[in-house]
Amino acid sequence: GQQVMQIPQYQHVQEGEDFTTYCNSSTTLSNIQWYKQRPGGHPVFLIQLVKSGEVKKQKRLTFQFGEAKKNSSLHITATQTTDVGTYFCAGRVNYGGATNKLIFGTGTLLAVQP
Amino acid sequence: EPEVTQTPSHQVTQMGQEVILRCVPISNHLYFYWYRQILGQKVEFLVSFYNNEISEKSEIFDDQFSVERPDGSNFTLKIRSTKLEDSAMYFCASSTGSNTEAFFGQGTRLTVV
Repeated sequence: GQQVMQIPQYQHVQEGEDFTTYCNSSTTLSNIQWYKQRPGGHPVFLIQLVKSGEVKKQKRLTFQFGEAKKNSSLHITATQTTDVGTYFCAGRVNYGGATNKLIFGTGTLLAVQP
Repeated sequence: EPEVTQTPSHQVTQMGQEVILRCVPISNHLYFYWYRQILGQKVEFLVSFYNNEISEKSEIFDDQFSVERPDGSNFTLKIRSTKLEDSAMYFCASSTGSNTEAFFGQGTRLTVV
């Protein structure tokens, strides 16, 4: 079945350091979304990328969608303690018809030390 | 800000019992979903629902599971005969379109003993 893997599984940084999580799909995606889940919380939508090679920024967060639409990355510049949580990518695959299920990646847990 | 609400927040049930998890999606949303997350693991798709019928389901969503939209506001997930491995956080989500962002509820933590 389709798999979406993320690396690293866990990252511990000092506040102010940068952080990147990488997302790789076994199949081509029609679009990809990123979610953040705080400890004990629920996934909260961050952004959606649709076009091949697309780059979007939200303040200190930069999201990229690969040219082949099989990988994506999230980069956080100058992490803050409020960035703590698990970051999930979630992709949609077109099987020749409409699909609306999100395949979530394995997630990257970010810990930020003040 | 509108939000997806789920009840109860925590449900403890005995193995073999039936449980119903309830969700109220955002009112103008048309697509509804159930996902589950076993502790410390990734979020897994269970089922999507549109126009009063299931549009997609995963291999996890077997005959023990069913969904219903009994009225204009509620969306329920029923597990007929719970197993220990059904213990997880169950998230309901809704979206305006098939390709738009999903809004997740706070989740129901199901514990099967």
